[in-house]
Amino acid sequence: DIVLTQSPLSLSVTPGEAASISCRSSQSLLHSNGYNYLDWYLQKPGQSPQLLIYLGSNRASGVPDRFSGSGSGAVFTLKISRVQAEDLGIYYCMQALQTPHTFGQGTKLEIK
Amino acid sequence: QVQLVQSGAEVKKPGASVRVVCTASGYVFTNYAMHWVRQAPGQRLEWMGWINGHNGDTYYSQRFQGRLTIARDASATAAHMDLSGLRSEDTAVYYCARKPSLNDGLDVWGQGTTVTVSS
Repeated sequence: DIVLTQSPLSLSVTPGEAASISCRSSQSLLHSNGYNYLDWYLQKPGQSPQLLIYLGSNRASGVPDRFSGSGSGAVFTLKISRVQAEDLGIYYCMQALQTPHTFGQGTKLEIK
Repeated sequence: QVQLVQSGAEVKKPGASVRVVCTASGYVFTNYAMHWVRQAPGQRLEWMGWINGHNGDTYYSQRFQGRLTIARDASATAAHMDLSGLRSEDTAVYYCARKPSLNDGLDVWGQGTTVTVSS
């Protein structure tokens, strides 16, 4: 199975500051079709996960443009340009290249 | 609006089976895949399997070794997940989630169903 490792596991950010989360894969997530099968999800406290980014860098419908995804192959990054209070929760990366799909261990974002 | 509504919480004894139903509304069920993901207390999300809404083909994580069955209802507006041989480690919140295509993410999620396995 593909293993995803996120870092950091937690971060505390002041509103208005930027935040960055890394997701490293045990193997390349780049398909021969040119797409990287890596998604990002946010699970807010007490809620179901919600899709933020798919195929490495595509923002899902309704997701604010302060969220961006980048990377290719085995190294990916989620950036939040100006953190807001509503962004608190646990961020997960998930690979959809192979079954079983697998998730990272999650990164908990706290607001200072 | 597009919505996935899951059946209510379950409490089961070890060895029993559980069915979680996910009812879709606001979109054409057969045009999308349905994935199942679970989250044990304090653990990361765990992918379980998925069903092709169009033809009913299923794909399972080998981790569940024949204990898991995912199917769509005859009404083609709902999917369900059956997990048998329950053990305490299966205590978790179970989610269904819609996927438009192989090149999309899990864009709509159910509210989650808590399954507790306890003697």
